[in-house]
Amino acid sequence: SQQGEEDPQALSIQEGENATMNCSYKTSINNLQWYRQNSGRGLVHLILIRSNEREKHSGRLRVTLDTSKKSSSLLITASRAADTASYFCATDERAAGNKLTFGGGTRVLVKP
Amino acid sequence: GAGVSQSPSNKVTEKGKDVELRCDPISGHTALYWYRQSLGQGLEFLIYFQGNSAPDKSGLPSDRFSAERTGGSVSTLTIQRTQQEDSAVYLCASSPHPGQGGGELFFGEGSRLTVL
Repeated sequence: SQQGEEDPQALSIQEGENATMNCSYKTSINNLQWYRQNSGRGLVHLILIRSNEREKHSGRLRVTLDTSKKSSSLLITASRAADTASYFCATDERAAGNKLTFGGGTRVLVKP
Repeated sequence: GAGVSQSPSNKVTEKGKDVELRCDPISGHTALYWYRQSLGQGLEFLIYFQGNSAPDKSGLPSDRFSAERTGGSVSTLTIQRTQQEDSAVYLCASSPHPGQGGGELFFGEGSRLTVL
């Protein structure tokens, strides 16, 4: 079973708009990561947020983490057509030897 | 090479044949993962190697799947007696951060397996 579950499964927006996607998980974690995957390619790491952090920024990306709700959000501001990709959250479960497990992903389409 | 290298990039095989998929991690990375991704789906954890520790094989779907990592570097994922449901992209990733707290994973481009 997957530790993280992303919501929505798919998102279609216009260039310039913001894109927000959420990730929920089930067990205690050390950190949560977000990855991006362009069609047919490997995944690329975007950002890591530790369990004692609540918010983190990287360029146009903003990630929040609420450990009480076991959820995280990824916000992409001022989206571009090049942001079209699938986005995955990944968590390392404290009880699982630090292995990273991934959610099902959110497919984002940014229309020019 | 600077990144994680996987081979072959594409493999078409007949049902019942064995296949081997290879992963060359980034030099010096102690952690190595194998994941499976079906079309349009998320990543399914298969196996995790960390240094000299016993691998976490909890994600291997059946005893037809096995993996080894020689000398703490190159890893081979073997699928015996392939079935059509094994068709997927097999992704390898390595990480430089051992121990608690996890760490960023660096992914290869994947090996796309098609079982006819």
